Amino acid sequence: EDKVVQSPLSLVVHEGDTVTLNCSYEVTNFRSLLWYKQEKKAPTFLFMLTSSGIEKKSGRLSSILDKKELFSILNITATQTGDSAVYLCAVVRNSGNTPLVFGKGTRLSVIA
Amino acid sequence: DAGITQSPRYKITETGRQVTLMCHQTWSHSYMFWYRQDLGHGLRLIYYSAAADITDKGEVPDGYVVSRSKTENFPLTLESATRSQTSVYFCASSEYREHSPLHFGNGTRLTVT
Repeated sequence: EDKVVQSPLSLVVHEGDTVTLNCSYEVTNFRSLLWYKQEKKAPTFLFMLTSSGIEKKSGRLSSILDKKELFSILNITATQTGDSAVYLCAVVRNSGNTPLVFGKGTRLSVIA
Repeated sequence: DAGITQSPRYKITETGRQVTLMCHQTWSHSYMFWYRQDLGHGLRLIYYSAAADITDKGEVPDGYVVSRSKTENFPLTLESATRSQTSVYFCASSEYREHSPLHFGNGTRLTVT
């Protein structure tokens, strides 16, 4: 059975800390991996990763994919209270009845 | 405004009633999806659609019906609501199945009493 596992499930950090969120997967017909940020409402798109070893960056956020070891990490540097959210990882499949398989998310709380 | 909108935002209904959740997108995206989000389970796919008049089951389709007569609309119907269907429901769309990320609506919080 395909699965996407995120760790940790939750963490609390202080403003200014750097955090690393993990996403490992066992998915057939892997196509790409997506990261989303979910605050109070809908998930919003952060990154799409398709190739190993190529870092994607957006401001203080960055992400990289390792297709050999089947995982991705999302880094957030100099965290701010506005980074508090649930971060979701999803794997896109080329085929199958579930185009995307989501992990259960990591709840990040950044305290001042 | 362009985007994806869901209605209603909140709904309370009784067990056994039929409920329809609406989803409308203005991007002309081919793919549309319905997810439910529950504590401990994350986002689970109910149904998706690759184009008008084409729908497919996801992980948890039982008790739900969808239709897609027009590209922009993808309503989700609970034929006879049960308490286990209390959840937050998200509609999403994407231009392509594999190559583009999902864009989510703001969700409908459904409570079945």
